[in-house]
Amino acid sequence: ETGVTQTPRHLVMGMTNKKSLKCEQHLGHNAMYWYKQSAKKPLELMFVYSLEERVENNSVPSRFSPECPNSSHLFLHLHTLQPEDSALYLCASSHDGTGQHNEQFFGPGTRLTVL
Amino acid sequence: AQKITQTQPGMFVQEKEAVTLDCTYDTSDPSYGLFWYKQPSSGEMIFLIYQGSYDQQNATEGRYSLNFQKARKSANLVISASQLGDSAMYFCAMREPNTGGFKTIFGAGTRLFVKA
Repeated sequence: ETGVTQTPRHLVMGMTNKKSLKCEQHLGHNAMYWYKQSAKKPLELMFVYSLEERVENNSVPSRFSPECPNSSHLFLHLHTLQPEDSALYLCASSHDGTGQHNEQFFGPGTRLTVL
Repeated sequence: AQKITQTQPGMFVQEKEAVTLDCTYDTSDPSYGLFWYKQPSSGEMIFLIYQGSYDQQNATEGRYSLNFQKARKSANLVISASQLGDSAMYFCAMREPNTGGFKTIFGAGTRLFVKA
């Protein structure tokens, strides 16, 4: 079974819509991450959860709201987005969030288009 | 200042040849980890190889090896015997567990094209 899954894979939404992205990891990891990948920009870390507690929040606009109900699931709730929020949103997990050797395992991403 | 620099936006390599993708980094933390990830057109980031700052030997994983030159702060990825399936974006990344918390910082990436 794929380690990290994301749904939906593609999403088109208007600026007034509310939608949620879902991420699930089957690796028994304790840390989960949301990244935004825009064209021609480095991967941007948005949020990190470790043991279901948010430990990083990188000045992300409040129209993005994360939720981590348990260590296997991570959501990103979206509302009143802007066209510049169109991007690939990647979820990742890792064994934990500490230490040097902490490779992350990524999901396939959700390609979001905001009209 | 950029923490991870990948100066090659695009690289071409002939199938079956070796290719080196450059990565330089900047940190004052003596403890750090360096990673390379591959991102095919499907979008998923795939972990390739890891090098710790205290590791004495260069990391190797199959056809991937990391040319770690600590004094130069470089961590180049070497792919031997390139295959068509190696065509993808490649990202260098770094963790600084003491000063960077949970963050992993990624470079801008290098797009590799493997020619038949």
